[in-house]
Amino acid sequence: AQSVAQPEDQVNVAEGNPLTVKCTYSVSGNPYLFWYVQYPNRGLQFLLKYITGDNLVKGSYGFEAEFNKSQTSFHLKKPSALVSDSALYFCAVRDRDTGFQKLVFGTGTRLLVSP
Amino acid sequence: DAGVTQSPTHLIKTRGQQVTLRCSPKSGHDTVSWYQQALGQGPQFIFQYYEEEERQRGNFPDRFSGHQFPNYSSELNVNALLLGDSALYLCASSGDRRNEQFFGPGTRLTVL
Repeated sequence: AQSVAQPEDQVNVAEGNPLTVKCTYSVSGNPYLFWYVQYPNRGLQFLLKYITGDNLVKGSYGFEAEFNKSQTSFHLKKPSALVSDSALYFCAVRDRDTGFQKLVFGTGTRLLVSP
Repeated sequence: DAGVTQSPTHLIKTRGQQVTLRCSPKSGHDTVSWYQQALGQGPQFIFQYYEEEERQRGNFPDRFSGHQFPNYSSELNVNALLLGDSALYLCASSGDRRNEQFFGPGTRLTVL
């Protein structure tokens, strides 16, 4: 069975500082990994994905994430946070080796960037 | 490109009633998935439709059913509503199985 853990309910960072939002996963086969962002009363917006290849993936709005197979992690990072980055962030995993596209999400991490 | 659209935006029902939610996928996408997001939780997979058939189902009771039409749009039906069914219902569409799912804005269902 697939699962995702986001160990921090909230991450606080000052504007201009680097940010990291943590994610670890469990999947029986090989993973597809995704990060989504959710603003209040909105649906999920895709940020980036790891499918295969380079372990460092770059996405929208200056975000990036590093796939670490040995640690089964896929942490989201940004070199310089903006106040507008404040939102709810979800990590999700899919089993690459099945034909299904079911996404399993973590419980989410609220990012709060202070001016 | 309109992206994924959902209707209605908000819905209020009472216990025991039935509800139908609608979703139109992003242009070019043939697969539609439905998720339930309870307050303060991550989205939970309900089921997925492809070629008008339910292809995969999550841990939801039979009160939750769906349909996909030839134009790839989809409906989610929930019978005998319970208070615990109150949530944001998200529809997502996708094409190539390697690619990400695109989410709609959701339908907020409140059961009183």
